[in-house]
Parts: sequence; structure tokens; C-alpha cells
Amino acid sequence: KQEVTQIPAALSVPEGENLVLNCSFTDSAIYNLQWFRQDPGKGLTSLLLIQSSQREQTSGRLNASLDKSSGRSTLYIAASQPGDSATYLCAVNNYGQNFVFGPGTRLSVLP
Amino acid sequence: GAGVSQTPSNKVTEKGKYVELRCDPISGHTALYWYRQSLGQGPEFLIYFQGTGAADDSGLPNDRFFAVRPEGSVSTLKIQRTERGDSAVYLCASSQGLGASQYFGPGTRLLVL
Repeated sequence: KQEVTQIPAALSVPEGENLVLNCSFTDSAIYNLQWFRQDPGKGLTSLLLIQSSQREQTSGRLNASLDKSSGRSTLYIAASQPGDSATYLCAVNNYGQNFVFGPGTRLSVLP
Repeated sequence: GAGVSQTPSNKVTEKGKYVELRCDPISGHTALYWYRQSLGQGPEFLIYFQGTGAADDSGLPNDRFFAVRPEGSVSTLKIQRTERGDSAVYLCASSQGLGASQYFGPGTRLLVL
């Protein structure tokens, strides 16, 4: 059974810092991995989707990497801004199965 | 274009009552998912539809929970004899197929008193 963990559970940084969020999964036979952000009281917004054949995906100040063999993905946020404050969730999809979510990392970017 | 919509946005009910939660997916998306999210946790998978059929309902916690998607578009999650432990945010997502990028609705907050 796939299990997904995220470290740290919470992170507080001053504006302008670069930061890394971590996602680990136990079953490396994944189809893809997706990163989401969730604002308080809101639904999830898709950030990046990485296919199993890819090593990384980039969108603006966000870069997500995938290392299937070690069961890890990282989300790199460059030059963080207060508007980046949210909970970041990773979700892993195994072949023919559904997405399994991690518990999330709660990010606060202080002005 | 319209995203995924869910109604109602909030639902308060009494223990033992029946509730229905509705999800309107993005037009043309064949896959539809229901998740449940408790405070401070990630979404927990409940059921997945491909077209009209439930392709995987392994996440439904018990037989009080049931979902339908009769025409392959709108879906309704039905909860019978609600319990206080059913209180959570119920999220719906749709995608172009299993494993494709998922797009989430804003959720329905269910509170069972």
C-alpha cells in the first residue's frame, strides 16, 4: 500500500528566501506525481505534474524534481513571497490506481 | 472556462440524517474523484468514476456511503444515517483520465451535529 509523507509539517521563512519542500513515497512504481497548493478553506490548486519518465518540471518560480528510485520528490520555491503562504500537498499515482496524498507542508512566508 | 463546482458549499445536519453532495466536473472530463479531508490532513480517496461506472470504490468507509454518476457528468455522493465522524470537507476532482492532472472543486463542508 502506497504511503506518502511530507517534511517538514510546517515551515516559516522570511520573504525572499529560496526553500525546498520534501515528499517521500514508499512504492516507487508510480505513474506520476502531482504537487498542489491549498489555501485555508479552499480547494486544491494544481501546481505541477511530473510523469514517471521525467526528472523535473518547472513553472515560474516553482521547480519540482522526481527521483523514483529513492521514492522522493522535492518542490523548490525561488524568491518566496507572502502570497506563497499556503499548504503544499504532494499526491502520488501508481499505475491503474488512484492518487494518494501526503499530509501537506504548511508554509508561512513573512513580509 | 468553468472549473469544478460543488454544492452546497456548507451543510449542517443532525446525526442520523441523509445528505447528498453534488459535483459538477469540468466539461469533457471523463474521470471524477471524491475525496474526504479532515482538518490538518491530506485528502483521503473515496471513489473514482470513469464515465458512468465506479471504477474504484475501495475508499468508501462503509455501506452508508454511496455515489452515482448516471450520465457520466454530474456526480452525487450520498451519505445515509450520518454520524458525527462523517464531519469533514468533501472534495471532488475531475481529470481527462486516470492519472491525468486533477482539477479540484472548492469542497463541501459537512458538519454532523
